[in-house]
Amino acid sequence: AQSVTQLGSHVSVSEGALVLLRCNYSSSVPPYLFWYVQYPNQGLQLLLKYTSAATLVKGINGFEAEFKKSETSFHLTKPSAHMSDAAEYFCAVSGSGDYQLIWGAGTKLIIKP
Amino acid sequence: GAGVSQSPRYKVAKRGQDVALRCDPISGHVSLFWYQQALGQGPEFLTYFQNEAQLDKSGLPSDRFFAERPEGSVSTLKIQRTQQEDSAVYLCASSLAGDEQYFGPGTRLTVT
Repeated sequence: AQSVTQLGSHVSVSEGALVLLRCNYSSSVPPYLFWYVQYPNQGLQLLLKYTSAATLVKGINGFEAEFKKSETSFHLTKPSAHMSDAAEYFCAVSGSGDYQLIWGAGTKLIIKP
Repeated sequence: GAGVSQSPRYKVAKRGQDVALRCDPISGHVSLFWYQQALGQGPEFLTYFQNEAQLDKSGLPSDRFFAERPEGSVSTLKIQRTQQEDSAVYLCASSLAGDEQYFGPGTRLTVT
């Protein structure tokens, strides 16, 4: 069965510092991978997705993620954190052609001024 | 354009009551999904519609839960005889092509 592991329920970085949110997946088929962001009292918003094209995927708000098959990872990064990035981030995986998304438990990103 | 909307945004029910949660997907979106998100957890899949057909209901936790989408647009998730463990945020998502899902703001259900 597919699963997603997000390392760290909370990550705290200083404003202007590098953001790194970790996601590892297990999948028996080449996956589609997603990062979503959830602001308080709002719905989940797609940040970026990997669908077997380029392994480095650029998303909205300056975020990007790199698919590394050998490490079964899809970590999310942003070079310089902004206060507005404070939110909860979820990694999700689906099998090719599979509509079901399997989600990680989420990582709450805290930005220190 | 209009996104996915859900109503009510908040619902408090006494244990044993029935509740109905509504989802209005993005116009023209064929696929519709319901998820349950417990506090501090990621969403968990409940059920999936393609137009009016419920193609997968494997995630519904018990026979007290059922969902419908009779005309292939608006969907309702109904929970009968609510229990405290049903307290969660219920998320609805829709998609056009089956990959990128667009989410509504959710309905927070509290069962007392």
